[in-house]
Amino acid sequence: SQQGEEDPQALSIQEGENATMNCSYKTSINNLQWYRQNSGRGLVHLILIRSNEREKHSGRLRVTLDTSKKSSSLLITASRAADTASYFCATAPGGKLIFGQGTELSVKP
Amino acid sequence: DGGITQSPKYLFRKEGQNVTLSCEQNLNHDAMYWYRQDPGQGLRLIYYSQIVNDFQKGDIAEGYSVSREKKESFPLTVTSAQKNPTAFYLCASSMSQSVSYEQYFGPGTRLTVT
Repeated sequence: SQQGEEDPQALSIQEGENATMNCSYKTSINNLQWYRQNSGRGLVHLILIRSNEREKHSGRLRVTLDTSKKSSSLLITASRAADTASYFCATAPGGKLIFGQGTELSVKP
Repeated sequence: DGGITQSPKYLFRKEGQNVTLSCEQNLNHDAMYWYRQDPGQGLRLIYYSQIVNDFQKGDIAEGYSVSREKKESFPLTVTSAQKNPTAFYLCASSMSQSVSYEQYFGPGTRLTVT
């Protein structure tokens, strides 16, 4: 069964708008990671947030973690067409990373 | 250029044939991984290796085999026993198997078996 599940499955926005993706997980974690995958390519690590952190920023990315609700969100501000990709959260309840099914983000120019 | 290379990018095979996918890294990472990705799906772990000459099965190891004779290399063989081998295969590495470390991914190999 999936540990992390992203929501929504697909998201379409206009350039300049903000994009928010959510990830829910089932068991306690030490950290949660977010990755991006451009179509037909490998994944690229975006950010890691530890269980004792509530929020983390990296450029236009903002990640929050709510361990009481077992959820995380990834916010991309001022989106660009180049942000079009699939975004995955990953957790490691048993010591191995488990990826969710991803959110497919489409940013229209 | 540091990173992970996978070859070939596209691979076509006839049913019943074994095929080996290459994965090489020059990041000096101890841990390496193989994942399978089906359309619209997340990644599923096939095998992983924490150190040379040692590897463990992931969630979907049946029909696959690996070797780790060198730190830099972690080839994956898709055998004829794998019932549904057509997929996108991704190799990754990390400094160690600890999940506190990010994984670095190769560009992937798209395998089509007919």
